[in-house]
Amino acid sequence: DIQMTQSPPSLSASVGDRVTITCRASQNVGKYLAWFQQKPGKAPKALIYVSSTLQSGVPSRFTGTRVGTDFTLTISSLQPDDFATYYCQQYHSYPLTFGGGTKVEIE
Amino acid sequence: EGQLSASGGGLVHPGDSLRLSCAASGLTLRDYSMTWVRQAPGKALEWVSSISSGGTNKYYADSVKGRFTVSRDNARNTVYLQMNSLRVEDAGEYFCAKRGPSCNGDSCYSDHWGQGTLVTVSS
Repeated sequence: DIQMTQSPPSLSASVGDRVTITCRASQNVGKYLAWFQQKPGKAPKALIYVSSTLQSGVPSRFTGTRVGTDFTLTISSLQPDDFATYYCQQYHSYPLTFGGGTKVEIE
Repeated sequence: EGQLSASGGGLVHPGDSLRLSCAASGLTLRDYSMTWVRQAPGKALEWVSSISSGGTNKYYADSVKGRFTVSRDNARNTVYLQMNSLRVEDAGEYFCAKRGPSCNGDSCYSDHWGQGTLVTVSS
């Protein structure tokens, strides 16, 4: 199985900060990496697919990049609505696997 | 965009069975492969199972293989997850999600998720 190692597990930031979350795949997943946002008690919300393509309706402050098996989600200017937990997921092959999540909290 | 709604969760004992349903409104599920993902309280998301649009191809996590069965009734616009021999570690919120605009073969990204249904397994 492909392991997805996400870091950091949590971070504290302020509104307006630039935030970066990383995800490393244990083997090649090509471009097939997605990012999700989840708020407490809610279903996950799709943000990015094929490493860098924004899901329709997602603000442009969210950016995804890929270098080999390393993936990054960047929020350029953190907004109050962005405080949540973020997950990466590879969909290169079954079993689909998620990272452990990154909780973005208010500093 | 339509809505997905998962139901069928509840409190059961170890060894019991449950059938979860994922119904769609404003969305034609037969056009999409579908996926079930679960989340234990306070834990990360975990993929459980996926089924192709026609129902022919089915995929399972090792942790549920042989105990869970995914199926679909496209006429009823509903996907199911039959869960047998439930274990304490199967407890959590179960979400259904539809295939998004990107796949690698049969492995697809999920772009639209329904609200979950809670499964509690306790003796």
